Amino acid sequence: NAGVTQTPKFQVLKTGQSMTLQCAQDMNHEYMSWYRQDPGMGLRLIHYSVGAGITDQGEVPNGYNVSRSTTEDFPLRLLSAAPSQTSVYFCASSYSTGPETQYFGPGTRLLVL
Amino acid sequence: AQTVTQSQPEMSVQEAETVTLSCTYDTSESDYYLFWYKQPPSRQMILVIRQEAYKQQNATENRFSVNFQKAAKSFSLKISDSQLGDAAMYFCAYKTTSGTYKYIFGTGTRLKVLA
Repeated sequence: NAGVTQTPKFQVLKTGQSMTLQCAQDMNHEYMSWYRQDPGMGLRLIHYSVGAGITDQGEVPNGYNVSRSTTEDFPLRLLSAAPSQTSVYFCASSYSTGPETQYFGPGTRLLVL
Repeated sequence: AQTVTQSQPEMSVQEAETVTLSCTYDTSESDYYLFWYKQPPSRQMILVIRQEAYKQQNATENRFSVNFQKAAKSFSLKISDSQLGDAAMYFCAYKTTSGTYKYIFGTGTRLKVLA
């Protein structure tokens, strides 16, 4: 049981490049989400999904796309990277929308030059 | 919209002593969940403790306990017998029970534990 995994761990992009941050969980969780963490800002929700085929926007969705074709995977796409997207990105999952524990991945550090 | 405020950017505590981290929130909802997460230097987010708003009893997990004051919208975390391994960033988080899947995090408190 690997929990929530994220790849890559670290990535450098040039402005305008695109990339996909991968997130996978093996706990059969319906609920998955993406956050970004910036200094002094805490974690901010980018997008979330309540099940395969269902996604919705969080607090800071601009510049990011998501899809959920399977229960296990929830990739985050940056279509045209900007320096403002330099951040640490966390993927998380949980069994339900209740108070159950939200499990976090180890994070992806992204640097956009 | 809900907000979560952690007014202490940094706190220090002597090993074996007790420290309290503050968290206040704003909401018009009557039912919700509150959490404290720990983020050590490894960056891994770890759930420390959670509280359901409809429960009046304060949650406790070993050396960690909360003081939940619903009317004051306050949710502080008390760490007893502090250990060096408690040094980390601590985030307070709010989650609605309305059926959406939105957590709102505070900006965090960095806890230093002095030997």
